[in-house]
Amino acid sequence: SAVISQKPSRDICQRGTSLTIQCQVDSQVTMMFWYRQQPGQSLTLIATANQGSEATYESGFVIDKFPISRPNLTFSTLTVSNMSPEDSSIYLCSCFLWDLTGSSYEQYFGPGTRLTVT
Amino acid sequence: SQQGEEDPQALSIQEGENATMNCSYKTSINNLQWYRQNSGRGLVHLILIRSNEREKHSGRLRVTLDTSKKSSSLLITASRAADTASYFCATLNFGNEKLTFGTGTRLTIIP
Repeated sequence: SAVISQKPSRDICQRGTSLTIQCQVDSQVTMMFWYRQQPGQSLTLIATANQGSEATYESGFVIDKFPISRPNLTFSTLTVSNMSPEDSSIYLCSCFLWDLTGSSYEQYFGPGTRLTVT
Repeated sequence: SQQGEEDPQALSIQEGENATMNCSYKTSINNLQWYRQNSGRGLVHLILIRSNEREKHSGRLRVTLDTSKKSSSLLITASRAADTASYFCATLNFGNEKLTFGTGTRLTIIP
């Protein structure tokens, strides 16, 4: 199994500023994922954070707005840049681990960072 | 992204009753997973069912998968107040390791 921690757990930020969210996994993992969950909505994948290469962004998300770092196999950061009230969401990081048979995996999620932009 | 649909969007039942939630998806999948989320917190993985499986049990949870109809159901038996949460299905498609989440069902158990 994997335990994921995120910092901060919540923050209230002013419009136009940036916030960096940290994600720490207690196991080495190949891929880490960043999701956004807008109020009352489901989860939407922002990007896949690959160690040693640039993150892969989903449609509608760009590196200038959500720069991601992945310096090693247990850590990643997501920055929400030049924030507006529309960025108010829960941001979750995630990873998956294959089971011992290598035929299926379980995906683990951090507790989330609740961001409010005023 | 192709997001699955879940129904109902919200469900309220008495404690002790069974709760059934349904999920439909659009593309061929490798597996389908169900998650629980309490009050906007992190997600908890409940159960995974592979595309070649039809039914799976875990405690009070029963999941079915019908790949011909591209649908799945989650049954929670003998519900408890602690089961109050949002439940999401998520599919893993062939060729990538990215989960696509459904719209979710908000389940409320009335004591």
